[in-house]
Amino acid sequence: AQTVTQSQPEMSVQEAETVTLSCTYDTSESDYYLFWYKQPPSRQMILVIRQEAYKQQNATENRFSVNFQKAAKSFSLKISDSQLGDAAMYFCALGGNTPLVFGKGTRLSVIA
Amino acid sequence: GAGVSQSPSNKVTEKGKDVELRCDPISGHTALYWYRQSLGQGLEFLIYFQGNSAPDKSGLPSDRFSAERTGGSVSTLTIQRTQQEDSAVYLCASSLGAGGPVGTDTQYFGPGTRLTVL
Repeated sequence: AQTVTQSQPEMSVQEAETVTLSCTYDTSESDYYLFWYKQPPSRQMILVIRQEAYKQQNATENRFSVNFQKAAKSFSLKISDSQLGDAAMYFCALGGNTPLVFGKGTRLSVIA
Repeated sequence: GAGVSQSPSNKVTEKGKDVELRCDPISGHTALYWYRQSLGQGLEFLIYFQGNSAPDKSGLPSDRFSAERTGGSVSTLTIQRTQQEDSAVYLCASSLGAGGPVGTDTQYFGPGTRLTVL
């Protein structure tokens, strides 16, 4: 079975600072994908970043980047220059031959 | 273009009633997914469609839950004889469904339906 663990229920960051959200996972598949989704109060999940496991290079999307440690089964999300609009729930997800499995999420607060 | 839409946005019902939740995927997306998000929890997979077929119904929590998709587009999730534990946000997502493994597609989500069972 595939599992995803987000060990930080809540995090906070000062505006313009950097924050890292952690995610660990377990899977028996050799080829899989990892995702970070953001869920603002509007409820609509938005893709933040996606990583293919066979690619060693860490994915980057503007202020968002990941630290993908395949051997450690770790997939953390770094948000640089945090903005008020980054405040949301962040979900880590794992997918492959089976449907996506999501972690329980980390609620990120951004302090002005 | 239009994103994934869901209706109704909110639904309040009485225990024992049946409810239907609707999802309109992004045009051209062949794969469609339903999830349930209970308060303070992550997303729980319910079912997915590739075209009109549902290869994986493993997440449906009981036989009170069913879903269908017609014309490779709109999908309806039906919950019969609702119970209080069915109260949750029901999210729908769609993806291109280009033929790769189900969990590798980028999924685009709708705003969800908040179901409250009194």
